[in-house]
Amino acid sequence: KNEVEQSPQNLTAQEGEFITINCSYSVGISALHWLQQHPGGGIVSLFMLSSGKKKHGRLIATINIQEKHSSLHITASHPRDSAVYICAVGQLYGGSQGNLIFGKGTKLSVKP
Amino acid sequence: NAGVMQNPRHLVRRRGQEARLRCSPMKGHSHVYWYRQLPEEGLKFMVYLQKENIIDESGMPKERFSAEFPKEGPSILRIQQVVRGDSAAYFCASSPQEALTDYTFGSGTRLTVV
Repeated sequence: KNEVEQSPQNLTAQEGEFITINCSYSVGISALHWLQQHPGGGIVSLFMLSSGKKKHGRLIATINIQEKHSSLHITASHPRDSAVYICAVGQLYGGSQGNLIFGKGTKLSVKP
Repeated sequence: NAGVMQNPRHLVRRRGQEARLRCSPMKGHSHVYWYRQLPEEGLKFMVYLQKENIIDESGMPKERFSAEFPKEGPSILRIQQVVRGDSAAYFCASSPQEALTDYTFGSGTRLTVV
């Protein structure tokens, strides 16, 4: 079993839909990251969180430390949101700050 | 602010040659991280460096791979005697301090070994 599991693997949505991507992890963490990888391959860091909820524009990230689960929500989705969304965790014990464990990613396609 | 600069964007090497990948962190960032993304696989941590120091190289293959971040100039990831299995996208990221605040990725170098 992978230490970081994402679901779904693939997601197709219509423009305007509300989207949720889930991430579950099995290790103690210092922080959880959500990343976006564009079709061209570039990676953007969206959020780093260790508790609660963060919001940036149409993106919302939540984390439940007790349940070892995080969600990334996209409101009013748009075709430009089409990308691979990657969850990554920093381990609480063992590993330095950049030594993240990555999920395999969720490929999102938003149709106009 | 030019962001994290990686070059080259694409690199083709024949088996047995050396590959040198460069990463210039964002201005004001002194922490550099290298990651590898094999085809159809997720990202994997390779190494974490600060200026003139390797902090964590637990993700580096034991042979042929090395990394440095000199006092002056970019961070270099060096792969000696490349093999087909080294073909991957190599990403560099940087941050200004510990705790990965303002964590910024470069566009990656896509290495193809022929």
